Amino acid sequence: DAKTTQPNSMESNEEEPVHLPCNHSTISGTDYIHWYRQLPSQGPEYVIHGLTSNVNNRMASLAIAEDRKSSTLILHRATLRDAAVYYCILIQGAQKLVFGQGTRLTINP
Amino acid sequence: GAVVSQHPSWVICKSGTSVKIECRSLDFQATTMFWYRQFPKQSLMLMATSNEGSKATYEQGVEKDKFLINHASLTLSTLTVTSAHPEDSSFYICSASSWGFGTQYFGPGTRLTVL
Repeated sequence: DAKTTQPNSMESNEEEPVHLPCNHSTISGTDYIHWYRQLPSQGPEYVIHGLTSNVNNRMASLAIAEDRKSSTLILHRATLRDAAVYYCILIQGAQKLVFGQGTRLTINP
Repeated sequence: GAVVSQHPSWVICKSGTSVKIECRSLDFQATTMFWYRQFPKQSLMLMATSNEGSKATYEQGVEKDKFLINHASLTLSTLTVTSAHPEDSSFYICSASSWGFGTQYFGPGTRLTVL
């Protein structure tokens, strides 16, 4: 399975943008980049996914490097409710989700 | 958006008893459902994958006779922890996908405590 590398933790302030990085230098051409997040004591929640182009939805934006070896999840204006563990996962076709340790995001009021 | 529910949200049982956890996709048909286990401060670990109407595929190291999975319909999968022991205490989470291994939608989880 293609692996991803994320920082263990990050901290930001409320109402400021947050950029969560993910490195995936062994990504293959058909791997999709998915982001999920898990709030405390809850199941994970789908955030966004992309293949090559940058993607936007109501929750976040996903910026994908031109060589696809890294990507960044962008929360444009963090709130306290965005405090969670964020997982960057590569999925190819019929492969299963493999969760790494993710990035624990702390939002300061 | 796609909604997945789990029942119960938490359960406490005595050692040696069996516990059934239900996972339902409420507004879509789930051809594939997944069961995960998560210990405190750890990441999710996939236990098994089930497709409607067929036997579940278990991950290496997961005892299929201990963790019985049934996916009888396109909206319901059940996980039964048989002869539960304290080491089975964990957070069990299901997810569902409408087209195999695509985007997965997760349930809220079930916290199992075995005394």
